[in-house]
Amino acid sequence: RKEVEQDPGPFNVPEGATVAFNCTYSNSASQSFFWYRQDCRKEPKLLMSVYSSGNEDGRFTAQLNRASQYISLLIRDSKLSDSATYLCVVNEGAGGGNKLTFGTGTQLKVEL
Amino acid sequence: NAGVTQTPKFQVLKTGQSMTLQCAQDMNHNSMYWYRQDPGMGLRLIYYSASEGTTDKGEVPNGYNVSRLNKREFSLRLESAAPSQTSVYFCASLSRVQSSYNEQFFGPGTRLTVL
Repeated sequence: RKEVEQDPGPFNVPEGATVAFNCTYSNSASQSFFWYRQDCRKEPKLLMSVYSSGNEDGRFTAQLNRASQYISLLIRDSKLSDSATYLCVVNEGAGGGNKLTFGTGTQLKVEL
Repeated sequence: NAGVTQTPKFQVLKTGQSMTLQCAQDMNHNSMYWYRQDPGMGLRLIYYSASEGTTDKGEVPNGYNVSRLNKREFSLRLESAAPSQTSVYFCASLSRVQSSYNEQFFGPGTRLTVL
């Protein structure tokens, strides 16, 4: 079983749509959680951290359910520029050298 | 600030050749990491250095060695390249803070092909 699992997609959605990505992780001792964005042939960049209380950044909402070991990302009012691969990322914490474990990513294509 | 820089951007090797991938960061970060990214596999950690003077194996260390030359630089060496090492290699760095909610910054990557 992969440590971090995501639906690979691709998700093809029209501009303006709402789209949700899900992720599950296997290590219950994981300390922190993130969504990274990766554009084609580029490096990953932090999109947002995911906190237990849930958090929002503009059109993006992230949620964490520690009991179910489940993370989600909701994108509202999709833009063409949102087209990218979204990586679910889990951190073991400072005691583990802050090693990140990445999901394989979910590809999003926003179309006119 | 240049952030995290990597050289070279592209490299083609023949099986058995050796090479060193260079990484440097100018953000005064303590921790540095090397990942490889393959289609369908996601990013996998090869080696990391939690602080200057220390290095540790990650998930896929076989066939690689690393050197934390100083606080800024962390190199990855392939002693005898194999076709299975064809991949995109990313270096990343992280400031040392108590909270685990801290961002890793990535370099632009090195695309390596081993024939």
